Amino acid sequence: QVRLVQSGAEVKKPGASVKVSCKASGYTFTSNHMHWVRQAPGQGLEWMGIVHADGSGPRYAQKFQGRVSMTRDTSTSTVFMDLSSLGSEDTAMYYCARDGSNMSPYAMDVWGPGTTVSVSS
Amino acid sequence: QSALTQPASVSGSPGQSITISCTGTSSDVGSYNLVSWYQHHPGKAPKLMIYEGSKRPSGVSNRFSGSKSGNTASLTISGLQAEDEADYCCCSFAGGTTWVFGGGTKLTVL
Repeated sequence: QVRLVQSGAEVKKPGASVKVSCKASGYTFTSNHMHWVRQAPGQGLEWMGIVHADGSGPRYAQKFQGRVSMTRDTSTSTVFMDLSSLGSEDTAMYYCARDGSNMSPYAMDVWGPGTTVSVSS
Repeated sequence: QSALTQPASVSGSPGQSITISCTGTSSDVGSYNLVSWYQHHPGKAPKLMIYEGSKRPSGVSNRFSGSKSGNTASLTISGLQAEDEADYCCCSFAGGTTWVFGGGTKLTVL
């Protein structure tokens, strides 16, 4: 079955960077885009960006431009989200979510379990 | 890109129907029939309930339905059940390969 497995919880100090991974299995990795979404405590979901299935340049939400980088490794079916210059406002649960592509386009049909990132001095 | 607007909370009794609204702009909800809805239980990953405004993925109960009018999308849950109690979040394609979520609505089944 389709599965997304994310890396473990992270604790970072302000100003540091964090890299979260998301390993996909159960489908053809290069057939679907992958989104990154986060949820801060007490807040709603927030779209961060997308890694395209065809390997073309990722697209980021304007809010994160300049301090986020999303990449993929097709050899391991893994996508990565790198967020720099962390502040307390980046404390959140970070999810990878597969774009439904042909089945449910423009929607996120499979989600990873989430990775907790805590930023504290 | 501003978040879509959802009511903070809604409630209903078992068996009743409720509707959750999701208001965007002519740049997102109003321009595309590409609103999706997610059910999110605390501590779990969100689950896709509706895509392309009104379509249900395989396995989602037909008690869940979606619609859109102008810049506002809606999710209706009929025949409320206790297990429907969760947060519900809308999301819209916003053009230029970007997406925007709503703030989420907490559904309480009384």
